[in-house]
Amino acid sequence: AQSVTQLDSQVPVFEEAPVELRCNYSSSVSVYLFWYVQYPNQGLQLLLKYLSGSTLVKGINGFEAEFNKSQTSFHLRKPSVHISDTAEYFCAVSGGAAGNKLTFGGGTRVLVKP
Amino acid sequence: DVKVTQSSRYLVKRTGEKVFLECVQDMDHENMFWYRQDPGLGLRLIYFSYDVKMKEKGDIPEGYSVSREKKERFSLILESASTNQTSMYLCASGTKISSIGFGSGTRLTVV
Repeated sequence: AQSVTQLDSQVPVFEEAPVELRCNYSSSVSVYLFWYVQYPNQGLQLLLKYLSGSTLVKGINGFEAEFNKSQTSFHLRKPSVHISDTAEYFCAVSGGAAGNKLTFGGGTRVLVKP
Repeated sequence: DVKVTQSSRYLVKRTGEKVFLECVQDMDHENMFWYRQDPGLGLRLIYFSYDVKMKEKGDIPEGYSVSREKKERFSLILESASTNQTSMYLCASGTKISSIGFGSGTRLTVV
């Protein structure tokens, strides 16, 4: 079965500092990769996705992620965070064994401190 | 934008009750999904549906069933609620896996 590992459950970061959220997946076939954000008391919102093409994907709110096939990773980065980026972030994968379903990682809670 | 509406934001039910969680989408999507979200476990797929009256088990279907009588509505049913089903439940829909949208969630507490 496909699996997604988010290596950090919580990431505290100061405002205007950079942040990187790590995501690794297990699959030997082509996959689609996603990052979602969940603000407090809200549903999930798509930040960005990798379907094909350029391995550097830019999303909303200044986030970007890089697909690394050899390392089966899809790490999310932002060069300068704001207080409003405090949220939970989920990496997800589909394709391969997952077919037309999304398999999620355990989530990373980002707390931006002033 | 996909609009996925979950009928209840918060629910409190008693152990053994039959519970219905309703989800409606307004985009004529074939695919609909029910996930549960628990701290540290992320989202886990309970059931999904590719068409009316069609359903498939996800990763954690035990204790749940679903109903899809109309294309826009996908219901999750807890036949006999138990305390370990206390969770956040998220519905999603989409035509392609690349364009799935989520509802705001239903936080269910079973006492």
